[in-house]
Amino acid sequence: EPEVTQTPSHQVTQMGQEVILRCVPISNHLYFYWYRQILGQKVEFLVSFYNNEISEKSEIFDDQFSVERPDGSNFTLKIRSTKLEDSAMYFCASVIGRGNEKLFFGSGTQLSVL
Amino acid sequence: RKEVEQDPGPFNVPEGATVAFNCTYSNSASQSFFWYRQDCRKEPKLLMSVYSSGNEDGRFTAQLNRASQYISLLIRDSKLSDSATYLCVVTLSNYQLIWGAGTKLIIKP
Repeated sequence: EPEVTQTPSHQVTQMGQEVILRCVPISNHLYFYWYRQILGQKVEFLVSFYNNEISEKSEIFDDQFSVERPDGSNFTLKIRSTKLEDSAMYFCASVIGRGNEKLFFGSGTQLSVL
Repeated sequence: RKEVEQDPGPFNVPEGATVAFNCTYSNSASQSFFWYRQDCRKEPKLLMSVYSSGNEDGRFTAQLNRASQYISLLIRDSKLSDSATYLCVVTLSNYQLIWGAGTKLIIKP
């Protein structure tokens, strides 16, 4: 089965530092998502991306966050100045198209902000 | 009221038993419904879609009750490997996915 890959699997950073989380969605998928999950809490939607632009974003996705698809394959999430509360598992997901909600998730990046 | 509500559990169930849990949703315009399974510290994986007519996949049966705005998941002959958190997902008319917080299931030998 095709896979969404995420790197790194773990990222430790100091508060105030910038981090970039990387994802390679499945090649023929058109919609991409970032979710986060704080330990023991629910999966939270951050942002969706289609046709090289953000299609929706949540309240969590403030000015500290940005997404990019720099080269047609990678899909990145940047956090400009990390806070302690950004510590979470970040999942990337892709789906072939709207109306087909079988999301394929990557295995996640565990971000720890110290 | 939360958009998608689930009993967080945990449901502690002996191996071989049948277990069922529900998920309620608040938006009557919700269009599609899904159950995802998430193992501890792993990514969610689609378990099954939920259709109006109900659907079955092996030991798993999903039902949708639009009038009462809930979906259910029934697991028969539960296995130790069924231990996980089960996430209810609802899609709105704009294709936005709304996630429940999950129901934790623990199958005991």
